[in-house]
Amino acid sequence: QVQLVESGGGVVQPGRSLRLSCTASGFSFNKYAMHWVRQAPGKGLEWVGLISYHGVNKFYADSVKGRFTISRDNSNDTLYLQMSGLTTEDTAFYYCATDYGYNCGDHWGQGTLVTVSS
Amino acid sequence: SYVLTQTPSVSLAPGQTAMITCEGNNIGTKSVHWYQQKPGQAPVLVVFNDADRPSGIPERFSGSNSGNTATLIITRVEAGDEADYYCQVWDSSRDHQFWAFGGGTNLAVL
Repeated sequence: QVQLVESGGGVVQPGRSLRLSCTASGFSFNKYAMHWVRQAPGKGLEWVGLISYHGVNKFYADSVKGRFTISRDNSNDTLYLQMSGLTTEDTAFYYCATDYGYNCGDHWGQGTLVTVSS
Repeated sequence: SYVLTQTPSVSLAPGQTAMITCEGNNIGTKSVHWYQQKPGQAPVLVVFNDADRPSGIPERFSGSNSGNTATLIITRVEAGDEADYYCQVWDSSRDHQFWAFGGGTNLAVL
């Protein structure tokens, strides 16, 4: 079955960088767009960005544009989120999600927690 | 950006029908998707394209979308349906595309 496993979260100081990974299995990873969505503790869902199936097209939320970069390695079925210039506002659970073409999150990972704190 | 507005909370007794709304400008022209999120868990897609159900989702879950309001309908509500529910649409402009989420509705089953 479809499985998405995020990793790389942790505690990081403001201004530093962190890279999250999302390892996929159970579907043809190289055929579908992927998204990152985050959720601050006790808050709602916030879309972070998306990457097309081939990695050419990328779109970002205004809140992270210029600081976050999404990439993917289709040979290893892995999605990445490179985060830089982190602030306390970036503290959240970060989820990766599949997009099979209906522009919605068909499957989600369990999330990884990023805490930005001095 | 595209703003989606949801009622923060809904409380029902078991067996009743929940109607969770999501308001947006001309949302009836867009495809609306709904997620269920239980405490400590990742979101789960329960309705996509306004009214379709992914495999494994009970028939009690359905949806509608018209005008400025989309609705998630849960019939014969059970204790296990207690969760936060989020609506989502995809929107695009000439050089940008994004997902927009509603603020979420907490469903309490009394």
